[in-house]
Amino acid sequence: QVHLVESGGGVVRPGRPLRLSCTASGFTFSHFGMHWVRQTPGKGLEWVAFISFDGNNKYYSDSVKGRFSISRDNSKNTLYVQMDSLRVDDTAIYLCAKDRGEPGTSPLSYIDYWGQGTPVTVSS
Amino acid sequence: QLLLTQSPSASTSLGASVRLTCTLSSGHSSYAIAWHQQQSQRGPRFLMKISSDGNYTKGDGIPDRFSGSSSGAARYLTISGLQSEDEADYYCQTWGTGIHVIFGEGTKLTVL
Repeated sequence: QVHLVESGGGVVRPGRPLRLSCTASGFTFSHFGMHWVRQTPGKGLEWVAFISFDGNNKYYSDSVKGRFSISRDNSKNTLYVQMDSLRVDDTAIYLCAKDRGEPGTSPLSYIDYWGQGTPVTVSS
Repeated sequence: QLLLTQSPSASTSLGASVRLTCTLSSGHSSYAIAWHQQQSQRGPRFLMKISSDGNYTKGDGIPDRFSGSSSGAARYLTISGLQSEDEADYYCQTWGTGIHVIFGEGTKLTVL
């Protein structure tokens, strides 16, 4: 059974950094791309970033490009996102998600498993 | 620009059927989409992927009363025999080179 558990959320001042983690189990983590998606309370889903199975391909939404960095440690079955220069409008629940793409290939595909999310509040 | 359009809300009676629509913007009718369900205070759950030809592939454990179809630029999610736990937000998602990942704004389904 696939499990994705996010951690690292909290309250942070504008301009400060924060790193989120997502621990995966129930599948061969090193074979699949992974996503970060965020959701503002009461609103919809916004895709944030993707990393390929091997970490060689990374894509970002325009809203976070240059400020966020996605990475992974396949030896620890863990996905990360380093969020720098945080802004008030980055406040959201951050969800990690597994990509359904063909194992061992880089192109992103649809999401087939989700975590429960970790909340991030950026406030002075 | 690729956009996904969903109605903000839908409501149907317990035991009835409902069809939710996700429409791809002009020029993008060949794209596949995925449907995700998000119940209150929970993370989303993948329901199914629907291709432009109407073929669909469901996620693990998704009941038979959930089905999918396509017509032109529209991708449909049909839920038969509505149950109270089907009350949720439903999002469609598409993906591709250059566009990366796009979500629709979601449809809030109320079961009366």
